[in-house]
Amino acid sequence: EVQLLESGGGLVQPGGSLRLSCAASGFTFSSHAMSWVRQAPGKGLEWVSGISDSGGSTYYANSVKGRFTISRDNSKNTVYLQMNSLRAEDTAIYYCGKSAGRDYYGSGSHFDYWGQGTLVTVSS
Amino acid sequence: QPVVTQSPSASASLGASVKLTCTLRSGHSSYAIAWHQQQPERGPRYLMKVNSDGSHSKGDGVPDRFSGSSSGAERYLTISSLQSEDEADYYCQTWGTDVRWVFGGGTKLTVL
Repeated sequence: EVQLLESGGGLVQPGGSLRLSCAASGFTFSSHAMSWVRQAPGKGLEWVSGISDSGGSTYYANSVKGRFTISRDNSKNTVYLQMNSLRAEDTAIYYCGKSAGRDYYGSGSHFDYWGQGTLVTVSS
Repeated sequence: QPVVTQSPSASASLGASVKLTCTLRSGHSSYAIAWHQQQPERGPRYLMKVNSDGSHSKGDGVPDRFSGSSSGAERYLTISSLQSEDEADYYCQTWGTDVRWVFGGGTKLTVL
């Protein structure tokens, strides 16, 4: 059974930092791209950042480029999102998503499993 | 123009069928898309992938009432024999070159 378990969310002041983790199990982690997707209160899903299966390619939405860093440890089956210089508009539930394929493009581009999410609140 | 667009809302009666549409932007009309369901206060759930030829592959445990199809740049999700638990937001998702993983704005389905 595929499981994705996010952790690391919480309340942080504007300008602060948080590190999210997503622990994966039930599949060959090193063969799949992974992403972080967020949902602000009352809004739709927004892709935030993704990483290829090997970790050799990383991708970011313009809204977080230069502030967030995605990484993965294939020996620990875990993907991370380091979030710096947090803003109020980063407040959201952050979901971890597993891609069917190895990178963002092609037939395996879709997310086929999701985590339950972790809440990040940026407020003073 | 977004890579994928969806109508913001749809409604249908209990026990009836409904067809939701996801439209791909010009230049992306051959792309496959995925449908995801998000029930109130819950995380997203992968429903299925729909290819340009109309073939589709479902996620784990997705009922037979859910099916996918395709016509040109449009990808569809049809839900038959609507149940109250089908009331949810439905998102289509594909990939792009600027935004690597792309979501539509979502369709809020109301079951009357």
